[in-house]
Amino acid sequence: DIKMTQSPSSLSASLGERVTISCRASENINNYLSWYQKKEDGSVKLLIYHTSRLQPGAPSRFSGSGSGKDYSLTISGLESEDIATYYCQQGYTPPYTFGAGTKLELK
Amino acid sequence: EVKLVESGGGLVQPGRSLKLSCAASGFSFNDYWMGWVRQAPGKGLEWIGEINQDSSTINYTPSLKDKFTISRDNAQNTLYLQMSKLGSEDTAIYYCARADMDAWGQGASVTVSS
Repeated sequence: DIKMTQSPSSLSASLGERVTISCRASENINNYLSWYQKKEDGSVKLLIYHTSRLQPGAPSRFSGSGSGKDYSLTISGLESEDIATYYCQQGYTPPYTFGAGTKLELK
Repeated sequence: EVKLVESGGGLVQPGRSLKLSCAASGFSFNDYWMGWVRQAPGKGLEWIGEINQDSSTINYTPSLKDKFTISRDNAQNTLYLQMSKLGSEDTAIYYCARADMDAWGQGASVTVSS
């Protein structure tokens, strides 16, 4: 199985701050990398797919980048509604493993 | 509006079986791969598996392949997850999703306890 290592596991940031979350795969996943937002109410939303493609309906302050094994999610200006846990997932080969998550909190 | 609604969760004794359902609406169900994901308390998301449109291809995470069975009924627009030999480690919220993960249900809670 491909192992996804996400960092940091938690992050405290201020409103308006730029936030970056990283994800490293144990092997090359050829840009098949997605990012999800999970809120405390249990809802899950796809934000970014194929490394950098913004899912329709996701705010444009979210962006993704990377290649090979290393990927990142950036929030260009943190808003209160962005407080959630973020997960990366590889879609290159099954089982489509997730990272352990990054819990984003307000400073 | 795309909608996925899980049902069938609850409290089940260790060693028993449980079948979850996921009712789909707002899209052409038989055009999509579908899948299941779970989240145990205090843990991250875990991909369980996926099924293609005509049920001819089903992929599972290896550790669950002998316990869980994914199926679908396209006439009823419903996805299923049959779980057997349940243990405390299977206590989780179970989500159904389109396999591209662009639509998720709200989740069904399963608690395995005597």
